[in-house]
Amino acid sequence: AQTVTQSQPEMSVQEAETVTLSCTYDTSESDYYLFWYKQPPSRQMILVIRQEAYKQQNATENRFSVNFQKAAKSFSLKISDSQLGDAAMYFCAYRRSGGSQGNLIFGKGTKLSVKP
Amino acid sequence: KAGVTQTPRYLIKTRGQQVTLSCSPISGHRSVSWYQQTPGQGLQFLFEYFSETQRNKGNFPGRFSGRQFSNSRSEMNVSTLELGDSALYLCASSLVFGQVYEQYFGPGTRLTVT
Repeated sequence: AQTVTQSQPEMSVQEAETVTLSCTYDTSESDYYLFWYKQPPSRQMILVIRQEAYKQQNATENRFSVNFQKAAKSFSLKISDSQLGDAAMYFCAYRRSGGSQGNLIFGKGTKLSVKP
Repeated sequence: KAGVTQTPRYLIKTRGQQVTLSCSPISGHRSVSWYQQTPGQGLQFLFEYFSETQRNKGNFPGRFSGRQFSNSRSEMNVSTLELGDSALYLCASSLVFGQVYEQYFGPGTRLTVT
């Protein structure tokens, strides 16, 4: 069974600084998708960034980028120029390719605090 | 375009009762998934519906069930509520089944069982 591990329950960053959130996963499949979701205090889950396992190039979305290391099964999220609005729970998620797209497997989450 | 809506937003029930939660997907989205979020277990997949058929089911007891209507709206039902069912229930919709499209989550229904 696939598992997703986020080893940092909490992280803190100074406003305008850069922070990296870690995620590792375990799977025997070669084709899959990885996601980072943000859940602010409002509890609305928002997709931050997505990475297809078959793509070697790391995904980027504005201030958010990932470091995808397929062999190491690592998928970290880097937030540059952190803003107060980035404070939230961040969840790393895995989904296998094909079949169901609903079956996301989530990590336990990392609570990010942003200090002014 | 309106987002995913879930009703009710908050619910308090007592043990032994049953509850029905509703989810309206984004217009045009045909796949609906449900997740349970608790502090202890985190986010866990419940089930996914597409074209009124359950396509996948997570590891939850039979007390948890769901259905999808022809307009893609979905309901989930929990019978014989237990204290451990207290959780945030999230619904997510996506365009189709079997392809990689982002899931869009609703705000959730906070269920408290006393």
